[in-house]
Amino acid sequence: GESVGLHLPTLSVQEGDNSIINCAYSNSASDYFIWYKQESGKGPQFIIDIRSNMDKRQGQRVTVLLNKTVKHLSLQIAATQPGDSAVYFCAESTNDYKLSFGAGTTVTVRA
Amino acid sequence: KAGVTQTPRYLIKTRGQQVTLSCSPISGHRSVSWYQQTPGQGLQFLFEYFSETQRNKGNFPGRFSGRQFSNSRSEMNVSTLELGDSALYLCASSLAGGNYGYTFGSGTRLTVV
Repeated sequence: GESVGLHLPTLSVQEGDNSIINCAYSNSASDYFIWYKQESGKGPQFIIDIRSNMDKRQGQRVTVLLNKTVKHLSLQIAATQPGDSAVYFCAESTNDYKLSFGAGTTVTVRA
Repeated sequence: KAGVTQTPRYLIKTRGQQVTLSCSPISGHRSVSWYQQTPGQGLQFLFEYFSETQRNKGNFPGRFSGRQFSNSRSEMNVSTLELGDSALYLCASSLAGGNYGYTFGSGTRLTVV
């Protein structure tokens, strides 16, 4: 699959491959993290979340990994499909009732 | 169940005018928060309400205000509109805020001319 070691604004992936989207968060006190997918003209759609007492969480075709030591979050999408083309955002929260969002990564799936 | 409903979907206003946007959260959700999304600044937190009380506010001028009603519906108001207020305004609904997850609506696209 294709991966991004550092956060890059765009990612192009071949249909059927696995993709990895990275996110560096800023606040070491953050204890809750969410990945969102946003398609053109729509609001962010919840993909998966993880709390700071976990290192990994799996959903349907997606896995989120959390590395608190280096303040790094990643989203892995298995067998990427054309419908996965969108902008992906990571968000962090310190339980102060607000989310702080990353800059977003635009994923384009090549047929 | 119904998702988060934001009205209107699109709005065009003139500089100096004011605007009110509405958000109806998912049934049973008591926390409503608002975000501004622009190409340059990304998603920025405006404020969050729970049981009609504002619990947190972002770094926006006082022209931006909000409120929440007893049925959890929320409105945000922007007075004296500026060109830079053109953005997608998103409402997020949560059971209680905090670490309970947030569901976003489709947003209101505001254009100031």
